[in-house]
Amino acid sequence: EDQVTQSPEALRLQEGESSSLNCSYTVSGLRGLFWYRQDPGKGPEFLFTLYSAGEEKEKERLKATLTKKESFLHITAPKPEDSATYLCAVQFVSNDYKLSFGAGTTVTVRA
Amino acid sequence: NAGVMQNPRHLVRRRGQEARLRCSPMKGHSHVYWYRQLPEEGLKFMVYLQKENIIDESGMPKERFSAEFPKEGPSILRIQQVVRGDSAAYFCASSPGRGVTEAFFGQGTRLTVV
Repeated sequence: EDQVTQSPEALRLQEGESSSLNCSYTVSGLRGLFWYRQDPGKGPEFLFTLYSAGEEKEKERLKATLTKKESFLHITAPKPEDSATYLCAVQFVSNDYKLSFGAGTTVTVRA
Repeated sequence: NAGVMQNPRHLVRRRGQEARLRCSPMKGHSHVYWYRQLPEEGLKFMVYLQKENIIDESGMPKERFSAEFPKEGPSILRIQQVVRGDSAAYFCASSPGRGVTEAFFGQGTRLTVV
């Protein structure tokens, strides 16, 4: 069965302490990989879509990269407002509408 | 340009009652997707609808759950005879056509069954 695994489950960072989140998948045929941010009590907020190995996308302090079996979300010099749960989702080649989500990584950035 | 609108934001139902969750897609979007987020779990796909059609309901529980997206009005996710295990956050996303490249979600409806 296709699976999406995110690690670590939780990450506590000091303000300015850069780190990376991992999303690995066992999908036979990846169409796209999505990253979202979710704040408590809110809906997922779209961040990036990556389609092919080697692709990179950036937004402010966030940078997402994609390889054949995993994706990384790098947080550079995080601020307390970057505290959130970051969700990864994959979309299969055989299905152009369904997203399969990982359980998420909860990031807490202390001032 | 308003985003995906869901209401109510919070819904409390007693066991055995019916819950109706509404989703108005983004302007110009005619495809709607429902996801469920159980406590401590990731979002799970439930159903994909196009105006007046159910395209894929493979993620919907076989009993008590139904969804529709009429020609006029919002998409409705209906849960009959709710049980405690139905307590979750239900999210809706929309797209202008088939195929999702940037899926935008609503703020969700948090259903609590007491």
